[in-house]
Amino acid sequence: DSGVTQTPKHLITATGQRVTLRCSPRSGDLSVYWYQQSLDQGLQFLIHYYNGEERAKGNILERFSAQQFPDLHSELNLSSLELGDSALYFCASSGITSTSGSRTYTGELFFGEGSRLTVL
Amino acid sequence: ELKVEQNPLFLSMQEGKNYTIYCNYSTTSDRLYWYRQDPGKSLESLFVLLSNGAVKQEGRLMASLDTKARLSTLHITAAVHDLSATYFCAVDRTSGTYKYIFGTGTRLKVLA
Repeated sequence: DSGVTQTPKHLITATGQRVTLRCSPRSGDLSVYWYQQSLDQGLQFLIHYYNGEERAKGNILERFSAQQFPDLHSELNLSSLELGDSALYFCASSGITSTSGSRTYTGELFFGEGSRLTVL
Repeated sequence: ELKVEQNPLFLSMQEGKNYTIYCNYSTTSDRLYWYRQDPGKSLESLFVLLSNGAVKQEGRLMASLDTKARLSTLHITAAVHDLSATYFCAVDRTSGTYKYIFGTGTRLKVLA
């Protein structure tokens, strides 16, 4: 268990609709990343938030938006859905890691189980 | 634009054999990560390489980093079926951005 929680796990919807994916990072992690993984494809970086502020944007469509709330959970909103938006959406968090008694920031990502979106 | 490339993209190998997966990245970075993904599952962190010359080993896998060559390798020793998965390398915080970019992935299949 990575400590990162994503909901819902599965979502089936129709073209033109709007959905919201939710992510709760590991306790204490300030950074949240969102990725899209289409069938048999790699991971496409969408967006990175740190402590409520947007830090970096990747190839995120204008139909998609995200935010990170004061309690550090994050939501990814996908609107005007198209068939091609069907994919696995991953959230990951990073922060301080405890190893052998020391606490350091390594940049290692901890991934949620993903939200599988199917657009029909 | 940061690019992270892996090769090979697909690798089918016999149990007991050795092989190396290569990860090249296009801009300066002192940090590189390796992750494993089983089909339909999430990603699991394997190695964190934080400096030039870093070498980490876990079981039959060994990862190394050469920041001057912008190259990391993941070496598989005496492969077993349980190592069948997709392996990704990733780079973060290069050129002053906070993007965290993954490589194309290498799908490894170990044949009994």
